[in-house]
Amino acid sequence: EAQVTQNPRYLITVTGKKLTVTCSQNMNHEYMSWYRQDPGLGLRQIYYSMNVEVTDKGDVPEGYKVSRKEKRNFPLILESPSPNQTSLYFCASSPGSGNTEAFFGQGTRLTVV
Amino acid sequence: TQLLEQSPQFLSIQEGENLTVYCNSSSVFSSLQWYRQEPGEGPVLLVTVVTGGEVKKLKRLTFQFGDARKDSSLHITAAQPGDTGLYLCAGEPYNDYKLSFGAGTTVTVRA
Repeated sequence: EAQVTQNPRYLITVTGKKLTVTCSQNMNHEYMSWYRQDPGLGLRQIYYSMNVEVTDKGDVPEGYKVSRKEKRNFPLILESPSPNQTSLYFCASSPGSGNTEAFFGQGTRLTVV
Repeated sequence: TQLLEQSPQFLSIQEGENLTVYCNSSSVFSSLQWYRQEPGEGPVLLVTVVTGGEVKKLKRLTFQFGDARKDSSLHITAAQPGDTGLYLCAGEPYNDYKLSFGAGTTVTVRA
């Protein structure tokens, strides 16, 4: 089954404690992205990657890091989480080569206290 | 500032009624996508429109792309409770693979 898998689904952490949210896709897609979703603001792109070892900032990259060492995986790293990073996070993948139709993971609900 | 403005923000209707959701921008897009998101899930692609003036139908859902490729609408005929969800539009600018999402329209269809 074609899917984007995120883990964990829910996470409560304390300010400053490094965390990683994993994302994996099994569709051999070139393009992967991370979004955060906040009430009234919709989906805002954090980082994106157009292929292995190619990453770039989205609209709200501050406080986040990513890596793309393999085509299927695109982890999101919060080195020192703060309460304003409490949000619902989505990983998405697209085929690439001009096709941006996105497949989304089920989301990670992060709370930073 | 949202690149894409969706209206209304919330819509609550009775089963069997019709509804229209709008997605507007001052920017021109090479294509526009519509997604539906249910509680606890990620958005799921409904349709992509790529040609100005294009109309696509998906059962009771009709999607239209404006002639100038700056706006789109989603019309649902005879809405059912299963249509309940957050509807998101997303535009793909020319020469850029970054999708820009609207804030969404929450649709509730009461039985």
